[in-house]
Amino acid sequence: QQPVQSPQAVILREGEDAVINCSSSKALYSVHWYRQKHGEAPVFLMILLKGGEQKGHEKISASFNEKKQQSSLYLTASQLSYSGTYFCGTETGGTSYGKLTFGQGTILTVHP
Amino acid sequence: DAGVIQSPRHEVTEMGQEVTLRCKPISGHDYLFWYRQTMMRGLELLIYFNNNVPIDDSGMPEDRFSAKMPNASFSTLKIQPSEPRDSAVYFCASSKQTPYNEQFFGPGTRLTVL
Repeated sequence: QQPVQSPQAVILREGEDAVINCSSSKALYSVHWYRQKHGEAPVFLMILLKGGEQKGHEKISASFNEKKQQSSLYLTASQLSYSGTYFCGTETGGTSYGKLTFGQGTILTVHP
Repeated sequence: DAGVIQSPRHEVTEMGQEVTLRCKPISGHDYLFWYRQTMMRGLELLIYFNNNVPIDDSGMPEDRFSAKMPNASFSTLKIQPSEPRDSAVYFCASSKQTPYNEQFFGPGTRLTVL
């Protein structure tokens, strides 16, 4: 089942902050975050593993609540380059190790 | 190292024709994924391979779709016969089997079926 992202869209001015949420009904092994700009491929931002480990870009931060199966992506001091569609991808692990199910995406627009 | 390579980048074909999309994963990666992206359905996984073996093809829409991975450096996604509803962007992605297994996406193939 597809994870649910909120909000569906966010409009910011440069320098403002935003939080994007991702919620799953299944027990998760990991949560991935990707950003896609118009006409381009999704690009990896961050991964958070069950147990607390994470890996990603220095300027991106995120959290993973294993009990609630929820993750949040924090975008601080936004820049014009942050504009794009953000997807969370969830992995349940086990026999589905490596398989991601993506949310519907959150469109982020940053204005000067 | 080169990223994931896909060809063709754009494909326009007529309904009923066979379409073959190609993908070269990043060297050393163990997993290969085929995704389809549309406005209506978002980014959906069609099939994925681990060490050239198909692991999960539950996302393949119907028998018209087939995928192969004859070796570690090449995979194809074939649609035969194609229909207008197959129009979408098809992405190939690869990842290395580590605890993090982040996926690297190719540039995609934009398919239009008339």
